[in-house]
Amino acid sequence: EAGVVQSPRYKIIEKKQPVAFWCNPISGHNTLYWYLQNLGQGPELLIRYENEEAVDDSQLPKDRFSAERLKGVDSTLKIQPAELGDSAVYLCASSPGRRGGDTQYFGPGTRLTVL
Amino acid sequence: TQLLEQSPQFLSIQEGENLTVYCNSSSVFSSLQWYRQEPGEGPVLLVTVVTGGEVKKLKRLTFQFGDARKDSSLHITAAQPGDTGLYLCAGGTYKYIFGTGTRLKVLA
Repeated sequence: EAGVVQSPRYKIIEKKQPVAFWCNPISGHNTLYWYLQNLGQGPELLIRYENEEAVDDSQLPKDRFSAERLKGVDSTLKIQPAELGDSAVYLCASSPGRRGGDTQYFGPGTRLTVL
Repeated sequence: TQLLEQSPQFLSIQEGENLTVYCNSSSVFSSLQWYRQEPGEGPVLLVTVVTGGEVKKLKRLTFQFGDARKDSSLHITAAQPGDTGLYLCAGGTYKYIFGTGTRLKVLA
């Protein structure tokens, strides 16, 4: 069974440019998460989806970040415009059920560098 | 707000040594999970502890959940270079959060 797929793996952009990340969760997983991880630190939740509904986006900086999960499968996370402080790894994870405690399976992440 | 503080933040040891990583909070957690993350990869779940005082073993790794379910520890016996990575505890009653992380490097 394929794991969580993310693309691109690496992205380098100049500040004020837009950027988008894509995630394909494990087949059949209803819950999808986007996390931000700074070097050497634990991931921080940005948004959690149950199917196509964003059930927790309290930590998403909505002035510049947006996300969507069309048809409750794939998801995209967008930043527009990017700032220097957005440089980090963006992780996508999925889990089978609705409860937040279900085991999460992580993708390899997208490493974003903003110059 | 629930927080998970891990210590130490960094640990560099020689192959064959033992080590313990701690995960502490002032809040009670219904369960805690431990992950290992290697460079360029996402975290991978190692174990879930649910009951206060619970001890779980995974080969050379021993995980313990505090009696009050506010803390947990990870003990590695005879560390190997393959144990190198970022160790994360995580949990949450209302919001799932990750700990601050412990970066372990085992030297051959």
